[in-house]
Amino acid sequence: AQKITQTQPGMFVQEKEAVTLDCTYDTSDQSYGLFWYKQPSSGEMIFLIYQGSYDEQNATEGRYSLNFQKARKSANLVISASQLGDSAMYFCAMRPLIQGAQKLVFGQGTRLTINP
Amino acid sequence: KAGVTQTPRYLIKTRGQQVTLSCSPISGHRSVSWYQQTPGQGLQFLFEYFSETQRNKGNFPGRFSGRQFSNSRSEMNVSTLELGDSALYLCASSSQGADTQYFGPGTRLTVL
Repeated sequence: AQKITQTQPGMFVQEKEAVTLDCTYDTSDQSYGLFWYKQPSSGEMIFLIYQGSYDEQNATEGRYSLNFQKARKSANLVISASQLGDSAMYFCAMRPLIQGAQKLVFGQGTRLTINP
Repeated sequence: KAGVTQTPRYLIKTRGQQVTLSCSPISGHRSVSWYQQTPGQGLQFLFEYFSETQRNKGNFPGRFSGRQFSNSRSEMNVSTLELGDSALYLCASSSQGADTQYFGPGTRLTVL
């Protein structure tokens, strides 16, 4: 079974500061993928970044980077130079990298609020 | 390329009724997954369809069912609605073998 833990229910950050959202995971799968999604108040889940367990380098997508520490089973999301539009719920998710295994397991999420 | 679309966006039903939600995946995507999101349980996987076949199933009662058509569009049906079925239902699509699921805007179902 897989489990995702996000220990920060809410975070408040000043605009233009960097922010780190924590995510730890547990799995017995050898090969797995880790994902971060953003959910604004409108409800749509927006894909941000992906990291494969086999990737040696941390993933980056624009202002988003994923701090992947496999031995510690952590996959923290780093947002640089935060903007007001970054205020939203953020979910960490994972699934095994097996053909046909599409089920994503999500954490409980972190509500990020960016203050001007 | 158009994203995942879901209809309707909002629904209000009463207990005992049934409801059908629709999802159109990104063009070329053959896998469609459904998730239920509630404040208490968070995001939970319902089922996944690929090439008109249910390939994965979550831990939900048989009142929740789905299907996929030859054009990859998918529907999910909930029969005999209960108050606890009030939730945001999210649909996601992915292409065969790809790692990322892309989500639609969701359908917000309220059961009175």
